[in-house]
Amino acid sequence: EAGVAQSPRYKIIEKRQSVAFWCNPISGHATLYWYQQILGQGPKLLIQFQNNGVVDDSQLPKDRFSAERLKGVDSTLKIQPAKLEDSAVYLCASSLDSSYNEQFFGPGTRLTVL
Amino acid sequence: AQKVTQAQTEISVVEKEDVTLDCVYETRDTTYYLFWYKQPPSGELVFLIRRNSFDEQNEISGRYSWNFQKSTSSFNFTITASQVVDSAVYFCALRSNNAGNMLTFGGGTRLMVKP
Repeated sequence: EAGVAQSPRYKIIEKRQSVAFWCNPISGHATLYWYQQILGQGPKLLIQFQNNGVVDDSQLPKDRFSAERLKGVDSTLKIQPAKLEDSAVYLCASSLDSSYNEQFFGPGTRLTVL
Repeated sequence: AQKVTQAQTEISVVEKEDVTLDCVYETRDTTYYLFWYKQPPSGELVFLIRRNSFDEQNEISGRYSWNFQKSTSSFNFTITASQVVDSAVYFCALRSNNAGNMLTFGGGTRLMVKP
């Protein structure tokens, strides 16, 4: 069974530029999550989708971050414009549903903002 | 509000030593789940275990064992006879239905196993 796929794996941009990350969850998983992991910290949930609807985006900085999951499968997370403090690893995860099933994580995208 | 604390930021042991990673959690909910994840240098979080708040039985899986104690709000993880391949960052996490099923992670413990 294929795992969660993410691209790109690495991205370096300058502050005020825009960037987008892509995630393809495990086939059949209804719930998709985006996490931000700053160096030396645990992951922090940014947004959770159930199919193509948003369940929780309370910790998403909506002035610069946006995410969508059109058709309830792949998802894109965008930052526009980026700030230095956005440097982090962005992890995508998926689970069968939003109950207590374990979440499966992708390899992450390491973003460096200069 | 819920919170997970992993007081040990970094632990270094020599191969074959036993090591225990501590995890203390806070939640007002009576129904919740606790998790441990492993993050090797490749960066991918690997699921290790999930326990619900009603099951305090300790669990053993090979060299791994987990000690869940509700009385002290702790869910500690022990690796017996550690190996170099165990070197990674380990995260404890908490999820409760009253927190919107959000997974709250601790800060992680970096384990270094030296040959």
